[in-house]
Amino acid sequence: DTGVSQNPRHKITKRGQNVTFRCDPISEHNRLYWYRQTLGQGPEFLTYFQNEAQLEKSRLLSDRFSAERPKGSFSTLEIQRTEQGDSAMYLCATLKDGYSPLHFGNGTRLTVT
Amino acid sequence: SQQGEEDPQALSIQEGENATMNCSYKTSINNLQWYRQNSGRGLVHLILIRSNEREKHSGRLRVTLDTSKKSSSLLITASRAADTASYFCAPLEGSNYKLTFGKGTLLTVNP
Repeated sequence: DTGVSQNPRHKITKRGQNVTFRCDPISEHNRLYWYRQTLGQGPEFLTYFQNEAQLEKSRLLSDRFSAERPKGSFSTLEIQRTEQGDSAMYLCATLKDGYSPLHFGNGTRLTVT
Repeated sequence: SQQGEEDPQALSIQEGENATMNCSYKTSINNLQWYRQNSGRGLVHLILIRSNEREKHSGRLRVTLDTSKKSSSLLITASRAADTASYFCAPLEGSNYKLTFGKGTLLTVNP
């Protein structure tokens, strides 16, 4: 069990640029979740997958956000045409089954200038 | 889907005292999970309590669950400065395994 790995740890980008984050789950965890967190707030649900199928995407998420999980292994979260309001910590978490806890990565901190 | 709502939003205590945080939720659950988050880090799982359990212990942590009141509490005994963190509860609905979070309780333990 090597834990959930997220890359990069930090990303600074200029407004209007595209960014992509990667999450490598714990092996055999078939559910993978993306959250966004800003200072003083709890993690805000973005989307989640069961294997390669995207089960739900938050209605708060604009079309500039897209996530994939090809082959049900690692996942990527892409933000197109970034805006300053996208600055946040992006957290990935994986789940083995309904009787187990979520395992979180350390997150990717995005700063849009 | 539902999310847990933690109360209080902030709690400040002295080292050695006990800290109690509460969580309320709205619908039936499969289990309820408690997490801790240190500033700038990811969330760390503390305790998972199943819907058919009423109390669970782990070291200095004690979690209770009252499904009739749709509430849970987390007790940290003999607190330490290192316990300073934000604490979140997350109820898990059995149907879709979607976990959402509230704003958390910010616990400050003063040395």
